[in-house]
Amino acid sequence: ETGVTQTPRHLVMGMTNKKSLKCEQHLGHNAMYWYKQSAKKPLELMFVYNFKEQTENNSVPSRFSPECPNSSHLFLHLHTLQPEDSALYLCASSQDSRINYGYTFGSGTRLTVV
Amino acid sequence: KQEVTQIPAALSVPEGENLVLNCSFTDSAIYNLQWFRQDPGKGLTSLLLIQSSQREQTSGRLNASLDKSSGRSTLYIAASQPGDSATYLCAVKIAPGYSTLTFGKGTMLLVSP
Repeated sequence: ETGVTQTPRHLVMGMTNKKSLKCEQHLGHNAMYWYKQSAKKPLELMFVYNFKEQTENNSVPSRFSPECPNSSHLFLHLHTLQPEDSALYLCASSQDSRINYGYTFGSGTRLTVV
Repeated sequence: KQEVTQIPAALSVPEGENLVLNCSFTDSAIYNLQWFRQDPGKGLTSLLLIQSSQREQTSGRLNASLDKSSGRSTLYIAASQPGDSATYLCAVKIAPGYSTLTFGKGTMLLVSP
């Protein structure tokens, strides 16, 4: 593990289900990120939190809802997803989103929507 | 809108070869460029970071160069090993304090024994 832990590692859900992805880091970082990695497409930034405040929402559909209760934890709540939402969801952290290096990524949650 | 392209999409080489991975970006006004490695089913590991004022960075058998004016970066891997097999991703940051990294699709490298 890299210091950023994501659970679950794999998730299969129906389009009407509600589920949550969890990300946890104890690196003392203050910024946390959600990225989506789809097959054949570049990694896409979804959300950024810096010191628990959301600083970026990259035009993500409302069926994805992030939550950052503290600097160590980040959640992605999922509801009424579509099959095209199937992807690898990566969480990352860094000291501060205004600092331009030092990203640590988790191993990801492989999501399949059926 | 910044776009990052990586060529080739896949590369297969025998062990011991020196190789070059290419990254190009459409807007030369970048703040920095990073190379990452991703193993199958895993997250990303940062390899090298080049600030816009730098020309190259080296770490062990890896050397990354940056030519900002032409919108290009290369990652040179010397004496490749099977353990180097992974997908290599290039990402650019467009401005300080702006957190978005724009990624390429990656080059999948296979080094055979």
